[in-house]
Amino acid sequence: GQQLNQSPQSMFIQEGEDVSMNCTSSSIFNTWLWYKQDPGEGPVLLIALYKAGELTSNGRLTAQFGITRKDSFLNISASIPSDVGIYFCAGQTRAAGTYKYIFGTGTRLKVLA
Amino acid sequence: DGGITQSPKYLFRKEGQNVTLSCEQNLNHDAMYWYRQDPGQGLRLIYYSQIVNDFQKGDIAEGYSVSREKKESFPLTVTSAQKNPTAFYLCASSTPGQASYNEQFFGPGTRLTVL
Repeated sequence: GQQLNQSPQSMFIQEGEDVSMNCTSSSIFNTWLWYKQDPGEGPVLLIALYKAGELTSNGRLTAQFGITRKDSFLNISASIPSDVGIYFCAGQTRAAGTYKYIFGTGTRLKVLA
Repeated sequence: DGGITQSPKYLFRKEGQNVTLSCEQNLNHDAMYWYRQDPGQGLRLIYYSQIVNDFQKGDIAEGYSVSREKKESFPLTVTSAQKNPTAFYLCASSTPGQASYNEQFFGPGTRLTVL
């Protein structure tokens, strides 16, 4: 099955630094979603994007829906230890009246205090 | 509180046994989904259902079965035909097709270990 290209795969950063990660696809999406997953838990929705070019913030998080509708990025400003986890992007597709979500491979974030 | 519940959190089974994972949602969502996650991997779609009494195979449906008799419930059965059933299973729901309701929400997951 299709998966989105998400980068970087992992990153180690110092507390207080800004973080940036992105997802790219060969397909056009109508909706982009960003999730955070803690170990042993289900992913939690962080930000949803609905329009090409849309820039949306949620606290220290900012995400953008690419103009081409084939990419999206997520920025985290002033990282803190609790930002540790795996971040997934997801794009929604529609075919024959059914809706599916395609997920990126994840970015593992580790924050060093 | 509205949300998605999965039970149990941890499940152990002997090889060759079928096992059913529960997923219930009270969000009044039309669509429900089952994903499999392996260590260090992303999410792979097993089955999904857009409406009651209808469901479609995802990318890795072999060895799994589902039913959707009620809007709130979407149980997943892992059969003995699934060659590598040990994994973390995630259930999700959404109400796709409506402009601001394309978000998909996840349950807490069930970790299945086959001995």
